[in-house]
Amino acid sequence: KNEVEQSPQNLTAQEGEFITINCSYSVGISALHWLQQHPGGGIVSLFMLSSGKKKHGRLIATINIQEKHSSLHITASHPRDSAVYICVLNEKLTFGTGTRLTIIP
Amino acid sequence: NAGVTQTPKFQVLKTGQSMTLQCAQDMNHNSMYWYRQDPGMGLRLIYYSASEGTTDKGEVPNGYNVSRLNKREFSLRLESAAPSQTSVYFCASSELRESELFFGSGTQLSVL
Repeated sequence: KNEVEQSPQNLTAQEGEFITINCSYSVGISALHWLQQHPGGGIVSLFMLSSGKKKHGRLIATINIQEKHSSLHITASHPRDSAVYICVLNEKLTFGTGTRLTIIP
Repeated sequence: NAGVTQTPKFQVLKTGQSMTLQCAQDMNHNSMYWYRQDPGMGLRLIYYSASEGTTDKGEVPNGYNVSRLNKREFSLRLESAAPSQTSVYFCASSELRESELFFGSGTQLSVL
């Protein structure tokens, strides 16, 4: 099926590095969500976007509807950013398998 | 505000047993969802309810039933549990189908 692909699947970086996680999809959507799943399992919504760019603290999300691509950026990464990041399309019906991010102090 | 509350947090069943997972939200949301999460598979939608009184199948509905009891509550029932239903189950809600999602803390279910 693979309507949504995330890359990379796993990412390990040093504290302070700039992080980019990508989400590509193959179907038309009206909005895309980025979620964060903590090591303990809890899931929180980071962004919902239908166009352009959104910023919240050190997190930035962008989407290009025409190219069917979204990115999540983390500036000045910190060990507490270690989590699985998941993109979700099309009214919560399709999830990416997630990107496991590990930030090393 | 509790947000989305799921019960129980852990459950062990024997094959063939039945159980109901409970989910309640206190945000007056219209839409509610049940997902399962399996290693390497990501989250998959089991059922959703776009509004009180309506339910629709998601990607993996077989072996499950749901009830949207009222606007607050959306339950998931396993009538005859199977080992393939061992998973972590999440309930979520949103104001509308294209609004921010709010998740419960999950239920870890093992079927032996």
